[in-house]
Amino acid sequence: QKEVEQDPGPLSVPEGAIVSLNCTYSNSAFQYFMWYRQYSRKGPELLMYTYSSGNKEDGRFTAQVDKSSKYISLFIRDSQPSDSATYLCAMTGPRGTYKYIFGTGTRLKVLA
Amino acid sequence: DTAVSQTPKYLVTQMGNDKSIKCEQNLGHDTMYWYKQDSKKFLKIMFSYNNKELIINETVPNRFSPKSPDKAHLNLHINSLELGDSAVYFCASSQGGGRSTNEQFFGPGTRLTVL
Repeated sequence: QKEVEQDPGPLSVPEGAIVSLNCTYSNSAFQYFMWYRQYSRKGPELLMYTYSSGNKEDGRFTAQVDKSSKYISLFIRDSQPSDSATYLCAMTGPRGTYKYIFGTGTRLKVLA
Repeated sequence: DTAVSQTPKYLVTQMGNDKSIKCEQNLGHDTMYWYKQDSKKFLKIMFSYNNKELIINETVPNRFSPKSPDKAHLNLHINSLELGDSAVYFCASSQGGGRSTNEQFFGPGTRLTVL
């Protein structure tokens, strides 16, 4: 079993839709959870960074962590064609841990 | 303004050659990383240096050798290139470990094609 599982998609949605992207993980030591967005032929850029369980909102983006279920989500409201990208979840252990474990990425296409 | 930069952006070479990729960060971070991203977009850590000291060394062929002359630079040298080395290589940096939350920032990538 991989440490982090992510549905690779692709996921196609109409403009304005609410998008839900998800990752599950098996290592209970993970404490920090990240979402990266990667446009085609570009490097990943940090979108959201959360610690422990709960929700964090930033504009149209909401990151949700459920540590009891080992499940994290990224919600995108009012999705735009410019949101079309690959979304990668990443997680790491206690403070002081350098190694990130990435999901395989979900390719999202928002249709105008 | 570039935070993490890599050169070259594209690298096309023949099997058996030796090549280097350079990375520089101007964020003042003390930790740098090399990742390999395959054609299915899977991003896998290869190496990490903290203050010029190797702290992560994943199962990578010893044809790959990282070198960190100072904490702002991390280069990757690859000997005897093979077809399977074709991928996009990303450099990243963070103010890692200890008291910080070690968010990682990525460079634009180097697309390596081995013919």
